[in-house]
Amino acid sequence: EADIYQTPRYLVIGTGKKITLECSQTMGHDKMYWYQQDPGMELHLIHYSYGVNSTEKGDLSSESTVSRIRTEHFPLTLESARPSHTSQYLCASSGIRETDDQETQYFGPGTRLLVL
Amino acid sequence: GNSVTQMEGPVTLSEEAFLTINCTYTATGYPSLFWYVQYPGEGLQLLLKATKADDKGSNKGFEATYRKETTSFHLEKGSVQVSDSAVYFCALIPWGFTGGGNKLTFGTGTQLKVEL
Repeated sequence: EADIYQTPRYLVIGTGKKITLECSQTMGHDKMYWYQQDPGMELHLIHYSYGVNSTEKGDLSSESTVSRIRTEHFPLTLESARPSHTSQYLCASSGIRETDDQETQYFGPGTRLLVL
Repeated sequence: GNSVTQMEGPVTLSEEAFLTINCTYTATGYPSLFWYVQYPGEGLQLLLKATKADDKGSNKGFEATYRKETTSFHLEKGSVQVSDSAVYFCALIPWGFTGGGNKLTFGTGTQLKVEL
């Protein structure tokens, strides 16, 4: 069972607001990821991290930023939300745990963001 | 570059019908191949995986065989249930990336609807 959490699950916010999407995992995984999922279901990697103080941009350009100060926490921030940011955001992690292989990514439930 | 192509949906079946969702990939060497499933309102979860040619992954009655000669990893189930209604994603991790980043390349997803 996945132990990865995202808050909030749903967020409706006005244009120009700053928002932070939270992602936490209790599995001790070193690698974490953020995906953006558009209404057509396609998934795009927007950020990833190999460990504390390591962050990289993904395949899809995003105006969001991330930080990785603690192993278990990987928040995503939008400084000024716009309607084009409306999407679902999925957080995932992978790494070494007793019963895990290194390749499998475990996903959180997602945050559905609507920017008006 | 690496890519995954899967059949477009939605796929609508009657309960107890046979399911095939086609997936082909483009990648060098021997990538690891995955099927993830996303139930309504949830994040993704690993359904099955295969890491080398001719491997068969299986879980919950679903199966997929890694075919290097046809670069395919088709998902099959002999008798679907209403509870199998979900979106199914085929994905790969490039060869040589194990433990080094695990950046998944996803297909576009196939929605499955199973009716009574």
